[in-house]
Amino acid sequence: EAGVAQSPRYKIIEKRQSVAFWCNPISGHATLYWYQQILGQGPKLLIQFQNNGVVDDSQLPKDRFSAERLKGVDSTLKIQPAKLEDSAVYLCASSSGSTGANVLTFGAGSRLTVL
Amino acid sequence: KQEVTQIPAALSVPEGENLVLNCSFTDSAIYNLQWFRQDPGKGLTSLLLIQSSQREQTSGRLNASLDKSSGRSTLYIAASQPGDSATYLCAVTGGGNKLTFGTGTQLKVEL
Repeated sequence: EAGVAQSPRYKIIEKRQSVAFWCNPISGHATLYWYQQILGQGPKLLIQFQNNGVVDDSQLPKDRFSAERLKGVDSTLKIQPAKLEDSAVYLCASSSGSTGANVLTFGAGSRLTVL
Repeated sequence: KQEVTQIPAALSVPEGENLVLNCSFTDSAIYNLQWFRQDPGKGLTSLLLIQSSQREQTSGRLNASLDKSSGRSTLYIAASQPGDSATYLCAVTGGGNKLTFGTGTQLKVEL
């Protein structure tokens, strides 16, 4: 089966600019996650979708970050305006359900550098 | 709030050595624990998953153990190779399939 697709792989922007990342999960996977991984740290969950509804966005900085999954398939994560501390790898993952038995499959990530 | 700690943060060993990576977590109410590998510039690859009812899992040269009551897991790598060089991340799954990651151990296996 095809994996989790993410684009772009790399993005360099200046602070206060905006950026958007796209994720296409594994076909049929109802649950989609966005993680932020700052250099030297473990990934941190930003938002979790179940189909097109938000399950958990408690760690999403909502003043500048937004995410949507309108048709319950693809998802986009937007940052506007970007800050220097947003430099990180943004990882998308998907799973077939939301119970503890479901294994997540990760995409390769989108690396953001904010200058 | 679940917290996951990994020790050591970095490790350098000569090829052929057996090694142990450690992971500890504060809340024992987990569904499972996973060990991931991350190569530079790449995503995460799941190596081993241990369900909360299990004590260990093995895959090739890798063996992971879980002691849920004490909040600890170890990843044992036998006969290390330069190709094993990567960052190894431990993650526990709590309610809602939410993964909490440790900060990782950066492993370098030298010739």
